[in-house]
Amino acid sequence: GEKVEQHESTLSVREGDSAVINCTYTDTASSYFPWYKQEAGKSLHFVIDIRSNVDRKQSQRLIVLLDKKAKRFSLHITATQPEDSAIYFCAAGDNNAGAKLTFGGGTRLTVRP
Amino acid sequence: GALVYQYPRRTICKSGTSMRMECQAVGFQATSVAWYRQSPQKTFELIALSTVNSAIKYEQNFTQEKFPISHPNLSFSSMTVLNAYLEDRGLYLCGASWGGDTQYFGPGTRLLVL
Repeated sequence: GEKVEQHESTLSVREGDSAVINCTYTDTASSYFPWYKQEAGKSLHFVIDIRSNVDRKQSQRLIVLLDKKAKRFSLHITATQPEDSAIYFCAAGDNNAGAKLTFGGGTRLTVRP
Repeated sequence: GALVYQYPRRTICKSGTSMRMECQAVGFQATSVAWYRQSPQKTFELIALSTVNSAIKYEQNFTQEKFPISHPNLSFSSMTVLNAYLEDRGLYLCGASWGGDTQYFGPGTRLLVL
C-alpha cells in the first residue's frame, strides 16, 4: 500500500521567513495530495491541496509543488506568521478509491517572533 | 460551507467495554466517510472507508468485528469501538467527502481507556 514520508519532524523559522515541508510517496497511482494543519488539542484543518494534473498551486501565502517523477511534493509557507505554528500533515490519496488518505508523520512548525 | 460534527468530543471507558461515536456532515452529502485514529505521538491511521453503494473497506489491523461502522445515509455515520483496551486510546477522526473530493474532518472523539 501507499507510504507517505514527511521528512522534517520539526521545523523552526523566524517570523517573516519561508518554511518548506517536504513529503515523498510510493504509490504511482496516488493523484491527490492535500495538506492539513493541526493546532494543539484540535482536529485537522484543511490547508491546501494539489492534484496530479498540475505541478504547482498557490493560495495566498501557500504554495504546493508536485514532482510526479520523483514522487515528491512540498508545502511552502511564505512570510510566516506566529499563527502559522502548528503540526502540518501531508497526505496522498487516489481519487478512484474515494476518500482514502495516507498521512505522513507530521511536521511541527514553530514560527519564532 | 461544509461542516463535520463528531460526538462525543471526549469519552472515558473502562477497559473491556465498548463505546460508540458519531459523525454528521452538514452542508454537503457525504458520499464517502473515512474513520481514522491518531494514537498518542503518532500520525493518522485509516481504520476504514465507507462509500455509498459499496461495502465498507477495512484497513489491515482493523476489523469489522472490532470497529463496526454504520453509514445509513449521506449525512451520518457511526463507529463503535468494541472491547476497548489501552491500545485503542487516541483521537478518532471522521473525514467526510463528496465524490472523492476534499475531505473535511470533524473535531474528533478523544477516547481514554482506564
